[in-house]
Amino acid sequence: SQQGEEDPQALSIQEGENATMNCSYKTSINNLQWYRQNSGRGLVHLILIRSNEREKHSGRLRVTLDTSKKSSSLLITASRAADTASYFCATDDGGGADGLTFGKGTHLIIQP
Amino acid sequence: DAGVTQSPTHLIKTRGQHVTLRCSPISGHKSVSWYQQVLGQGPQFIFQYYEKEERGRGNFPDRFSARQFPNYSSELNVNALLLGDSALYLCASSFRQGSYNEQFFGPGTRLTVL
Repeated sequence: SQQGEEDPQALSIQEGENATMNCSYKTSINNLQWYRQNSGRGLVHLILIRSNEREKHSGRLRVTLDTSKKSSSLLITASRAADTASYFCATDDGGGADGLTFGKGTHLIIQP
Repeated sequence: DAGVTQSPTHLIKTRGQHVTLRCSPISGHKSVSWYQQVLGQGPQFIFQYYEKEERGRGNFPDRFSARQFPNYSSELNVNALLLGDSALYLCASSFRQGSYNEQFFGPGTRLTVL
């Protein structure tokens, strides 16, 4: 079963606009990670935010985490055509032995 | 530096057959995890190996098995293939045990079961 749920399932915006994706999860976590996947290939790690952090930045990416609401958001600023991909949030249960639990992902399309 | 490599890239099998998928982690990484990604879904955890021992297992039937070799490469075996086993199989490596560490994913093996 999948713990995380990304919202929206699909998002289409114009190049240069900002894109925001949300993720909700169900159980307590050690950290939350965001990954990008292009055209059904391997996943690329974007950013990791620990349960005791509230916000983290990496280049054009900004991630927030609200453990009281069990939710996270990923903001991509000044989007580019190359940002077109599926984005997944992934959580671990803290023990580390049960692997990451992924949501179904948000498919982001950047219109040129 | 080479990333995680997987072979083969694509594979077509028929129901009832078995398949072996291979993964080579990033040099120095001792942990390998396997995930199954069905079309339109996120990856689902199958196994985690660290230092050649199984450290975690997802909710998959016993038809799925894996092992890790002394050089930390890994194999995923699936017996008695079903149509529902058609998926992208992803391998991920990390330096330390524990999925709370950043995982480096390979390009995947696309398995089609006819």
